[in-house]
Amino acid sequence: GNSVTQMEGPVTLSEEAFLTINCTYTATGYPSLFWYVQYPGEGLQLLLKATKADDKGSNKGFEATYRKETTSFHLEKGSVQVSDSAVYFCALIVDFSGSARQLTFGSGTQLTVLP
Amino acid sequence: ETGVTQTPRHLVMGMTNKKSLKCEQHLGHNAMYWYKQSAKKPLELMFVYNFKEQTENNSVPSRFSPECPNSSHLFLHLHTLQPEDSALYLCASSRTGRNQETQYFGPGTRLLVL
Repeated sequence: GNSVTQMEGPVTLSEEAFLTINCTYTATGYPSLFWYVQYPGEGLQLLLKATKADDKGSNKGFEATYRKETTSFHLEKGSVQVSDSAVYFCALIVDFSGSARQLTFGSGTQLTVLP
Repeated sequence: ETGVTQTPRHLVMGMTNKKSLKCEQHLGHNAMYWYKQSAKKPLELMFVYNFKEQTENNSVPSRFSPECPNSSHLFLHLHTLQPEDSALYLCASSRTGRNQETQYFGPGTRLLVL
């Protein structure tokens, strides 16, 4: 089956610190990989995605590279801001037939950035 | 604003009440989803609709009843819920087909069952 493992939170950083949130996966087939972010009191927003090996997704200063050899999709940001405080979810989807597919989520990592 | 709206945003109901959650997407997608997000648990997929047909039901209790009258609207009818059903209920939509699978989420309905 498919599964996603994220590093346990919560993560607390000072503003301008470097961020890494680890994500590894197991999948039957060739997945697409996603990072979603959930700000307090809101739903999930797509942060970035990658659909094939060695692709790098990026958005708002966040980056993640699809590493097939290590089955990983770690999220990084060089300098975090207080406004980045949120819960981050790694997810995957495996699409064989083009029909609606089920996203498999990690458990989420709470990030708090202090001024 | 993701193009997916949900109403109400907050709902408090007793265990004998009947209520409905509504989701609407303005993105031209043909697949819609209900997820449940409980504290300290991963997101749980509840139902999937593809072109108005239910294609997935992840062993959800019958006190949750989905309805998808068209590809833009999705409802979740609730009756005789339990306190453990209190959670954030998220709706999402997507296109289908290769490389079209990105799901866009609504803001959720925060449900409290007393």
